[in-house]
Amino acid sequence: NAGVTQTPKFQVLKTGQSMTLQCAQDMNHEYMSWYRQDPGMGLRLIHYSVGAGITDQGEVPNGYNVSRSTTEDFPLRLLSAAPSQTSVYFCASSYSPGTFYGYTFGSGTRLTVV
Amino acid sequence: RKEVEQDPGPFNVPEGATVAFNCTYSNSASQSFFWYRQDCRKEPKLLMSVYSSGNEDGRFTAQLNRASQYISLLIRDSKLSDSATYLCVVTPYNTDKLIFGTGTRLQVFP
Repeated sequence: NAGVTQTPKFQVLKTGQSMTLQCAQDMNHEYMSWYRQDPGMGLRLIHYSVGAGITDQGEVPNGYNVSRSTTEDFPLRLLSAAPSQTSVYFCASSYSPGTFYGYTFGSGTRLTVV
Repeated sequence: RKEVEQDPGPFNVPEGATVAFNCTYSNSASQSFFWYRQDCRKEPKLLMSVYSSGNEDGRFTAQLNRASQYISLLIRDSKLSDSATYLCVVTPYNTDKLIFGTGTRLQVFP
């Protein structure tokens, strides 16, 4: 099993550009989330999904959109990139993240906005 | 006040030492608690859940004190491979949204 696959691994964007970070999982998990990790801030939840067609906002949703058309995929769209969105982005999936299953994370996307 | 607070460290300990980390959470209605481990420039991985009665997994012991709203992780007989950042994680009541602490860095030296 591939687990959680994130692409790309690295990306440099110019301010104002848009892009989509891809996340796919092959474990048939219903729960998927996007987090960003910044120095001294820990992981902060951007958006969250409990199944296909269902999404919810997390702590820091502004500037990001998500959709969940299939169980496997949960792409994160940056609408108009800003330097404040320079971060490491992690996608995660789980059967039930609030239990001993926990989250399985992807390897991350390192995004720099210049 | 942050929902989950941890001492960032670093904790520098020799091999074989015992080291303990604490974590405090602000929401008394929090329902689930975990420790994740994150190696440098890698993704977080679930280390262990934390149960009210305390639980042990090999050299690792986790405890929960609901009255004082803190969670602890004890590592015995530290190995070089234990060097990592340890993330305290809490789920608020009636949700599966995980709230992460900023992490405590552990460095084990020979």
